[in-house]
Amino acid sequence: NAGVMQNPRHLVRRRGQEARLRCSPMKGHSHVYWYRQLPEEGLKFMVYLQKENIIDESGMPKERFSAEFPKEGPSILRIQQVVRGDSAAYFCASSPQTGGMETQYFGPGTRLLVL
Amino acid sequence: GIQVEQSPPDLILQEGANSTLRCNFSDSVNNLQWFHQNPWGQLINLFYIPSGTKQNGRLSATTVATERYSLLYISSSQTTDSGVYFCAGARTGAQKLVFGQGTRLTINP
Repeated sequence: NAGVMQNPRHLVRRRGQEARLRCSPMKGHSHVYWYRQLPEEGLKFMVYLQKENIIDESGMPKERFSAEFPKEGPSILRIQQVVRGDSAAYFCASSPQTGGMETQYFGPGTRLLVL
Repeated sequence: GIQVEQSPPDLILQEGANSTLRCNFSDSVNNLQWFHQNPWGQLINLFYIPSGTKQNGRLSATTVATERYSLLYISSSQTTDSGVYFCAGARTGAQKLVFGQGTRLTINP
C-alpha cells in the first residue's frame, strides 16, 4: 500500500518563474492537506481540499498561490512568480475522512529552492 | 487558533539514555499526533494520540487531554533516533494541524 507521493522531490526555480508541486494521496484517501516548512521552523498549514473542493484555505498567501484537487489526478499546489521567500519544504498529507479525528499521513515533501 | 509549545527545544544525549519530550496546547484538541523528522527531512508518523497512552517498541506517548499536554518517551536511545520531534494538534471541529516548533534530539554514540 503506497504512501502519500509527492513530486518532484526537489525543484529549483529562478525568481519570477512558476512552481508546480504534485501530491497523490494514499489509496482510499479523499482529503488532502498542504503544509509549508520554512528553514528551522515547524510546519504551517496552508490549505485543505477534498475532491474538486477547497475546504479551508486560511493558511494560503492571498496572492500567487493556488491549489486544486481535481476529480482525476493528483492535487496541485501552484506558485506563480516565485520569490526567494518561497524557498521551503512543502509537505502534502492525506486522510480518509473529515472531522479532524483521523491520522494525517505525510508525504516526503518537495524542497523548493528559488534562486 | 491554538498555540503549541514544545520543550525542551534541544536535547543532547548519549546512546542508551532515556528522554521525555513535552507538548503543551493552549486549547482542547481532538487530533494530536507526534512525528519524527529525520536528518533527511522526512516526516515519520509516530503516534496518533488524542488521549490515553500508546506504546510502539522503545517509544511511548501519553496524552492528558483534560490538562492539555502530551509526553513522548524514548527509551534506550539509538543514534538513529536523532532528528526533530514535532507534536501537532487540531482544535475540535477543525482539520488543520497546528505544529509546535519541535525538539531537536541529538544522540551521540
